[in-house]
Amino acid sequence: QVQLVESGGGVVQPGRSLRVSCAASGFTFNNYPIHWVRQAPGKGLEWVALISYDGSNKYYADSVKGRFTISRDNSKNTLYLQMNSLRVEDTAVYYCARAEVHYFDYWGQGTLVTVSS
Amino acid sequence: QTVVTQEPSFSVSPGGTVTLTCGLSSGSVSTSYYPSWYQQTPGQAPRTLIYNTNTRSSGVPDRFSGSILGNKAALTITGAQADDESDFYCVLYMGSGIWMFGGGTKLTVL
Repeated sequence: QVQLVESGGGVVQPGRSLRVSCAASGFTFNNYPIHWVRQAPGKGLEWVALISYDGSNKYYADSVKGRFTISRDNSKNTLYLQMNSLRVEDTAVYYCARAEVHYFDYWGQGTLVTVSS
Repeated sequence: QTVVTQEPSFSVSPGGTVTLTCGLSSGSVSTSYYPSWYQQTPGQAPRTLIYNTNTRSSGVPDRFSGSILGNKAALTITGAQADDESDFYCVLYMGSGIWMFGGGTKLTVL
């Protein structure tokens, strides 16, 4: 069955960097684009980024553009989100979600990133 | 900046029908935005309910239906049950690889 497992979350100081990962299994990873979506504590869902199946195209929300980089390693069935210049407002649970045509069909359980001094 | 709008909260009686909507701060939602709907209970990942306006995801009961009503996307729940009490989010495809979630609707069943 399709599984997406995020990891790498933790506590980081403002201005520092962190990389979170999403390990995929149960499907042909290199056939699908993948999203990152985040949810601040007690708040709604926010789309963060999307990467195409081969990594050649990347798209970002304005709130993270220039600070976050989405990437993937299809040989390892793994998606990444490199987060630089972190801000307190980046504190959230970060979910990866498989992209079907024009929707999100499978979601991971999320990893919590806390930005705090 | 365009914002996707949803009712912050809604209440429905058990067995009743409720329609949640998903609009745009400027403009109308059409099928070209490929509206989809997700359900989330506290501490859990979102669950996909409806995609491409009105297609139910696998395993979703037919009590849930999607449509376009006027200038908004809509999620209708008929025969509401206690375990429908959760947060519901819509998301729209804005084009050029960009997606936008609504703020979510907290549904209470009482």
